[in-house]
Amino acid sequence: GQQVMQIPQYQHVQEGEDFTTYCNSSTTLSNIQWYKQRPGGHPVFLIQLVKSGEVKKQKRLTFQFGEAKKNSSLHITATQTTDVGTYFCAGPETGNQFYFGTGTSLTVIP
Amino acid sequence: EAQVTQNPRYLITVTGKKLTVTCSQNMNHEYMSWYRQDPGLGLRQIYYSMNVEVTDKGDVPEGYKVSRKEKRNFPLILESPSPNQTSLYFCASSINRGLTEQYFGPGTRLTVT
Repeated sequence: GQQVMQIPQYQHVQEGEDFTTYCNSSTTLSNIQWYKQRPGGHPVFLIQLVKSGEVKKQKRLTFQFGEAKKNSSLHITATQTTDVGTYFCAGPETGNQFYFGTGTSLTVIP
Repeated sequence: EAQVTQNPRYLITVTGKKLTVTCSQNMNHEYMSWYRQDPGLGLRQIYYSMNVEVTDKGDVPEGYKVSRKEKRNFPLILESPSPNQTSLYFCASSINRGLTEQYFGPGTRLTVT
């Protein structure tokens, strides 16, 4: 079946440093979504990318969808303590299943 | 308020004792899913439902059952729980399969001893 891997699995940064997580799918995705899960919480939708090469920004967050629609990245500029959590990419398979990446856990050190 | 609710939030049970985790959404969503979350493995889809009376296996369906008799409810049934089903479970719903965001319930932490 489809596999969606994310790297790194864990990332510790000093507050104010940048952070990037990468998502790689074994198959082409029709679209990709990103979610954030705060510690002890549930995943919350951040954004969806649909087009090849698409780039979207949300304040300090920049999301990219690869040209081949098999990879994506999330970049956070000047991290803040409120950015702490686990970030997941996710996408539908060609059937009706939905696959989540393995997640990147971000710790921000004040 | 638009939401997905799950009950119970925490459950400790013993091997072999049947249990049901309920899930309900009030957004008239067609697509509903159950996921389990384990450290290092992310969220893995157990079962999903495209609409009433339409359910299908996800990536890790063994040991689980679901039903979708009404659009709003999607219970997860463990007929004979085993310790390897100890996990954090999330129910989610979306307007349709994968073209729109999924809304997640608060999660159910299950421990099977």
